[in-house]
Amino acid sequence: AQKITQTQPGMFVQEKEAVTLDCTYDTSDPSYGLFWYKQPSSGEMIFLIYQGSYDQQNATEGRYSLNFQKARKSANLVISASQLGDSAMYFCAMRGDAGGTSYGKLTFGQGTILTVHP
Amino acid sequence: NAGVTQTPKFQVLKTGQSMTLQCAQDMNHEYMSWYRQDPGMGLRLIHYSVGAGITDQGEVPNGYNVSRSTTEDFPLRLLSAAPSQTSVYFCASSSRRGGNEQFFGPGTRLTVL
Repeated sequence: AQKITQTQPGMFVQEKEAVTLDCTYDTSDPSYGLFWYKQPSSGEMIFLIYQGSYDQQNATEGRYSLNFQKARKSANLVISASQLGDSAMYFCAMRGDAGGTSYGKLTFGQGTILTVHP
Repeated sequence: NAGVTQTPKFQVLKTGQSMTLQCAQDMNHEYMSWYRQDPGMGLRLIHYSVGAGITDQGEVPNGYNVSRSTTEDFPLRLLSAAPSQTSVYFCASSSRRGGNEQFFGPGTRLTVL
């Protein structure tokens, strides 16, 4: 079984500042992937970033980076230079990557609402 | 490419009615999934499929049926709607052949009275 925990129901950040959204996970899968999705108030799910459990380097995508600490089972999202448009719900998710049927199944955390102040 | 499409966008049902939520993808993805999102919660997996003719249950399958007769389509059937099924439903697809992203549809907001 897989579990994702996001302990911050809400976060506030000043525009142009950096912010870290926390995510811890638990799994028995030897190989897995970690995701972050953004859900604005319009409701769509927007893929931000992916980290494989065997990737040697932390994933980065533009202003998004994933601080992956495998021993601590954490996969925090760092957003640099926050913008007003970053205000949204953010979800951490994971899936087993060992093969078989697990590839199409994501387990989500409860989400963190990020508010960016001008 | 249209990506993942879902119909309808909104639906109101009465308790006991049945209906089918449609999901289609044009990316030739082998994996397709249905999730529900309740207020204040993350998405939870209802059913998923690893290819045409192959489906399996997720975390919250009760009250829902699925079938996958083609690669493109993955409809979700509510057999007898209940107020507890009021939620936003997302369909998603992915493939091992390229990238790691799961592509989500725009969602269907369902209210059961």
